[in-house]
Amino acid sequence: AQSVSQHNHHVILSEAASLELGCNYSYGGTVNLFWYVQYPGQHLQLLLKYFSGDPLVKGIKGFEAEFIKSKFSFNLRKPSVQWSDTAEYFCAVRNTGFQKLVFGTGTRLLVSP
Amino acid sequence: ETGVTQSPTHLIKTRGQQVTLRCSSQSGHNTVSWYQQALGQGPQFIFQYYREEENGRGNFPPRFSGLQFPNYSSELNVNALELDDSALYLCASSSGQEGHTEAFFGQGTRLTVV
Repeated sequence: AQSVSQHNHHVILSEAASLELGCNYSYGGTVNLFWYVQYPGQHLQLLLKYFSGDPLVKGIKGFEAEFIKSKFSFNLRKPSVQWSDTAEYFCAVRNTGFQKLVFGTGTRLLVSP
Repeated sequence: ETGVTQSPTHLIKTRGQQVTLRCSSQSGHNTVSWYQQALGQGPQFIFQYYREEENGRGNFPPRFSGLQFPNYSSELNVNALELDDSALYLCASSSGQEGHTEAFFGQGTRLTVV
């Protein structure tokens, strides 16, 4: 069965610090990979996605993620975080043959001004 | 906004009761998936509907059931509610059964079972 591991459950950073959130998945086949963000009181929003091609993908709000197939990883990065990035971040994987998303447990990010 | 709307936004039910949650998918989308997000957890896949047919199910008991209507809106029904059913229920719509599409989520229905 597919599973997704997010190593950091809570992260606290100061504004302008760099961010990297880890995500590893277990699945041997071809996958699509996603990072979603959930701001307080809001719906899940897609930050970025990887389907194929360049393993370095850029998303909204200055986020990027790198797919490393050999490590089954899809880590999220941002060079300089802002207070408005305070939210919960979820990594998700999907078998390309099916629409079911498998989510990690999430990382709660708090950015202090 | 994603164009996916869910109702109601909050609901309190008593153990043993039944509940129906509703979802209107984004225009042009024919696939609806339902997820349960317990406190402190990531969303867990319940099931998916594609063109009014169930198209895959997660590890949830049969008392979780659903429907999809010709306009592609959907309902999630839960019978014999248990305390552990308390969670945020998310609906996601997408186009197509598979392939390079993304899912758009609604704001969810917060269900509390007492």
